[in-house]
Amino acid sequence: DAGVTQSPTHLIKTRGQQVTLRCSPKSGHDTVSWYQQALGQGPQFIFQYYEEEERQRGNFPDRFSGHQFPNYSSELNVNALLLGDSALYLCASSLSRGYSNQPQHFGDGTRLSIL
Amino acid sequence: AQSVTQLDSQVPVFEEAPVELRCNYSSSVSVYLFWYVQYPNQGLQLLLKYLSGSTLVKGINGFEAEFNKSQTSFHLRKPSVHISDTAEYFCAVSDRSSYKLIFGSGTRLLVRP
Repeated sequence: DAGVTQSPTHLIKTRGQQVTLRCSPKSGHDTVSWYQQALGQGPQFIFQYYEEEERQRGNFPDRFSGHQFPNYSSELNVNALLLGDSALYLCASSLSRGYSNQPQHFGDGTRLSIL
Repeated sequence: AQSVTQLDSQVPVFEEAPVELRCNYSSSVSVYLFWYVQYPNQGLQLLLKYLSGSTLVKGINGFEAEFNKSQTSFHLRKPSVHISDTAEYFCAVSDRSSYKLIFGSGTRLLVRP
């Protein structure tokens, strides 16, 4: 049973560029959340997608956007990259059916470095 | 607004000794509480969760945690640690009105032989 898979594992970009990160949820899961983890810190919630819609958003600018596809996979897009966007981006999936207490299962993340 | 405080950034301990990692939270509503572990260059793995009911929660790898509502704490314990327990541990909170997890800053557990 495959868990949450993310691609790519590492990525190097320069300031001002755009990036797309991808996530396939654990089999049977319908909800995908994205988190940003800066070095030495805990993950911070970016947004969550359920039924192909963004259902909750954290305190991130509009440069961060996402999408969920009918097969429940998801993309995170970041425009106009800044040096401060360098971080580990984690995808988490859950079978929420609309409930908030379902445990989230995390992927190994995409390490994004901005030069 | 909710918040999570993990007061200890690093906890060194000898192998086979007991350990407690502290977590305090702030919330005006009923919460769900979680502990996750992160090994180097990996994502987060769920250790245990408190949703309701018994305040003593048992998780994987011999870990347990106790929910204390009056002290707003959810400390993680293990009676005897192994070298392989060396990792970063994160406490997280959510509530019934929110879908997001709010994480603490993490505690690095360093188990020495």
